[in-house]
Amino acid sequence: GENVEQHPSTLSVQEGDSAVIKCTYSDSASNYFPWYKQELGKGPQLIIDIRSNVGEKKDQRIAVTLNKTAKHFSLHITETQPEDSAVYFCAAGPKTSYDKVIFGPGTSLSVIP
Amino acid sequence: DAGVIQSPRHEVTEMGQEVTLRCKPISGHNSLFWYRQTMMRGLELLIYFNNNVPIDDSGMPEDRFSAKMPNASFSTLKIQPSEPRDSAVYFCASSLRQGGSYEQYFGPGTRLTVT
Repeated sequence: GENVEQHPSTLSVQEGDSAVIKCTYSDSASNYFPWYKQELGKGPQLIIDIRSNVGEKKDQRIAVTLNKTAKHFSLHITETQPEDSAVYFCAAGPKTSYDKVIFGPGTSLSVIP
Repeated sequence: DAGVIQSPRHEVTEMGQEVTLRCKPISGHNSLFWYRQTMMRGLELLIYFNNNVPIDDSGMPEDRFSAKMPNASFSTLKIQPSEPRDSAVYFCASSLRQGGSYEQYFGPGTRLTVT
């Protein structure tokens, strides 16, 4: 089955700097790669996703890149702000509409004012 | 829409007791997921349903755990008997799996403490 790894597990950046989180996946048939943000005391919330037919997607200060050959994808947050502090999860899948999405272990991001 | 609703938000129980967690998915969604989150194991998928039918329960830890979805607007996750290692935050999520859409909407979670 699919296995998703995520690095780093914790990340601390100065406000205004960029943050990069990297994920790798094992199943080459996976075709959907979402990123979720979990704030303290809340459930995860989708912030951006990318499909296998696209190499890069951007939404304001966040962007995601995908390298299907190498089976890795990354989240980039530019001009970080204190409210970006949260746990970020990458995920991969599904192969079919009945298949599941597998989450990575998460990255705790702290933005220092 | 009110989003995914979970109850109770907090549950404290003694080892050996039965625990029932409840979830109301977003109206119109056709998939429902139960997750468990702990510091040690992160976010684990326990079971998911498509059109009220269990599709994959391979993440259910053991026979003490059971989940039902009697209709499109309600699901339960039951632990009987509960053990201290079941202490975690349990999330329910729903999704409209249609036209290539896979976004999951998570509820606020139920924090379970088993003493």
